[in-house]
Amino acid sequence: EAQVTQNPRYLITVTGKKLTVTCSQNMNHEYMSWYRQDPGLGLRQIYYSMNVEVTDKGDVPEGYKVSRKEKRNFPLILESPSPNQTSLYFCASSLGSTSGETQYFGPGTRLLVL
Amino acid sequence: GQQLNQSPQSMFIQEGEDVSMNCTSSSIFNTWLWYKQDPGEGPVLLIALYKAGELTSNGRLTAQFGITRKDSFLNISASIPSDVGIYFCAGQWNNDMRFGAGTRLTVKP
Repeated sequence: EAQVTQNPRYLITVTGKKLTVTCSQNMNHEYMSWYRQDPGLGLRQIYYSMNVEVTDKGDVPEGYKVSRKEKRNFPLILESPSPNQTSLYFCASSLGSTSGETQYFGPGTRLLVL
Repeated sequence: GQQLNQSPQSMFIQEGEDVSMNCTSSSIFNTWLWYKQDPGEGPVLLIALYKAGELTSNGRLTAQFGITRKDSFLNISASIPSDVGIYFCAGQWNNDMRFGAGTRLTVKP
């Protein structure tokens, strides 16, 4: 089954404790991205990657890192989480990055930073 | 970064009624997309629009790509309880994708 998976689905952590949210897709997609969803703000792009070893900042990259060592995986790293990073995070992938390529979203990771 | 203006923010309707929501932007896009998000799930694509003026249907859903390329609307006809959820518009220009804040739809049986 074609899908985007994220782990963990739920995470409670404390300020400053490094964490990684994994994202994996099995569709051989080149383009992957991370979004955060906050009430009243919709989805805002954090980082995206057009291919292996190619990553770029989205709208709200501060406090986040990503890596793309393999095509299928695109982990999101919070080196020193802060309470304002409490949010719902979505990973998405698409075949390419040009307009019209359908993005497939993962199920989401709900993060609470105390 | 610039977000899209999506309205209304929420709607409470009776089963069987038609629904309309729209998105506007000060920027032009070359693709408009409409997604639905169910509780605890990621957004799922409903309709994609690729050309200014394009009108596309998917079952009871109809969406249009505005002629100015700065707006789009989504209509749902004869709503049913499973239409409940949050609907997002998204505008795409090459690598740049922007989302509206969402319209939360509640359908009363």
